[in-house]
Amino acid sequence: AQTVTQSQPEMSVQEAETVTLSCTYDTSESDYYLFWYKQPPSRQMILVIRQEAYKQQNATENRFSVNFQKAAKSFSLKISDSQLGDAAMYFCAYRSFMDTGRRALTFGSGTRLQVQP
Amino acid sequence: NAGVTQTPKFRILKIGQSMTLQCAQDMNHNYMYWYRQDPGMGLKLIYYSVGAGITDKGEVPNGYNVSRSTTEDFPLRLELAAPSQTSVYFCASSLGQGVRDEQFFGPGTRLTVL
Repeated sequence: AQTVTQSQPEMSVQEAETVTLSCTYDTSESDYYLFWYKQPPSRQMILVIRQEAYKQQNATENRFSVNFQKAAKSFSLKISDSQLGDAAMYFCAYRSFMDTGRRALTFGSGTRLQVQP
Repeated sequence: NAGVTQTPKFRILKIGQSMTLQCAQDMNHNYMYWYRQDPGMGLKLIYYSVGAGITDKGEVPNGYNVSRSTTEDFPLRLELAAPSQTSVYFCASSLGQGVRDEQFFGPGTRLTVL
């Protein structure tokens, strides 16, 4: 079974600065998908960014980018020019490519990001 | 489109009571999921469904039941509530095909069992 580990329960960043959230995962599969979800105080889960493991290029979405290190099984999220609205819980998640049945997500325990004005 | 809707938003139950958490989606998605989120933890899969009439267990199914009589609805039933079921419950749906298959989440139901 796959596991996802987020070793930083809380992080803090100054507004306009850059912060990196860490995620590692354990899998024996070679093809899979990785995701970062944002959960603001409203509880709504919002997809921030996704990465297909067969793509070497790191995904980017505006101020959000990832550093995907397949051999190290590491998938960190970088938030540039942090804004107050970025304050939230961030979850790293894994989905198996081979699991065409469930297609379910395996989540890490989350990192709470605070943004200081 | 309303997306994924869940009712109720909050509920307090007494030990041994039963209730049904409602979930509906209007995106014509094949796949639907129930996750629970315990304090300080990530989401864990309770049950999932790949289409009307087809459901299966996830990682933590004990104490729950589901049904999927229509594509749109996927209710979660708690028969004998226990304090261990205090959690936030999320319903999600996805098309279930394609490389960029994305799960869309409802707003969650916060359940407290006392």
